[in-house]
Amino acid sequence: KAGVTQTPRYLIKTRGQQVTLSCSPISGHRSVSWYQQTPGQGLQFLFEYFSETQRNKGNFPGRFSGRQFSNSRSEMNVSTLELGDSALYLCASSSTSTTEAFFGQGTRLTVV
Amino acid sequence: EDKVVQSPLSLVVHEGDTVTLNCSYEVTNFRSLLWYKQEKKAPTFLFMLTSSGIEKKSGRLSSILDKKELFSILNITATQTGDSAIYLCAARIQGAQKLVFGQGTRLTINP
Repeated sequence: KAGVTQTPRYLIKTRGQQVTLSCSPISGHRSVSWYQQTPGQGLQFLFEYFSETQRNKGNFPGRFSGRQFSNSRSEMNVSTLELGDSALYLCASSSTSTTEAFFGQGTRLTVV
Repeated sequence: EDKVVQSPLSLVVHEGDTVTLNCSYEVTNFRSLLWYKQEKKAPTFLFMLTSSGIEKKSGRLSSILDKKELFSILNITATQTGDSAIYLCAARIQGAQKLVFGQGTRLTINP
């Protein structure tokens, strides 16, 4: 069974640009959640999608948005990039909200 | 505000030692406690604990949850250099996939 797949693995963007990250969950998993990991703040919850609906959102500005498609694949978008958005972005999938969450390899975003 | 605190933040031991990592939590609508091992990028799942007092075990690793005192421990016996990693614990909120993570414990095993 394939694991959680995130693309791209690395990205370098300039301040002010926007970026879209993709996450394909484990087959059969309907819940996808996104996290930002930085050395200073650790792993912080961004948002969760279940069956194409956003169920929870963390304390991030509106520049961070996401969506989920009918095949459970999810995308995360960050607009008007700032230097502080440089981080490892991880997505996790699970079959329901009560089962284990498995993480992808992450996308390393660098904003210059 | 939901909070998860891990201790120690860093630990250096010799191969063969036994280590205990701690995780305390203060979370509204707590559902379960998860442990992950992070070596390079993807945190890999270790345990999910939902009930108090029931030890979960996988090889040399074991973990237990105390819902009364709001903490969990992760034990690793007969440590090996391959156990060197950051160990993360996270509290899951009831009815959601939201995980609140601790800062992590950086474990280094010296040969």
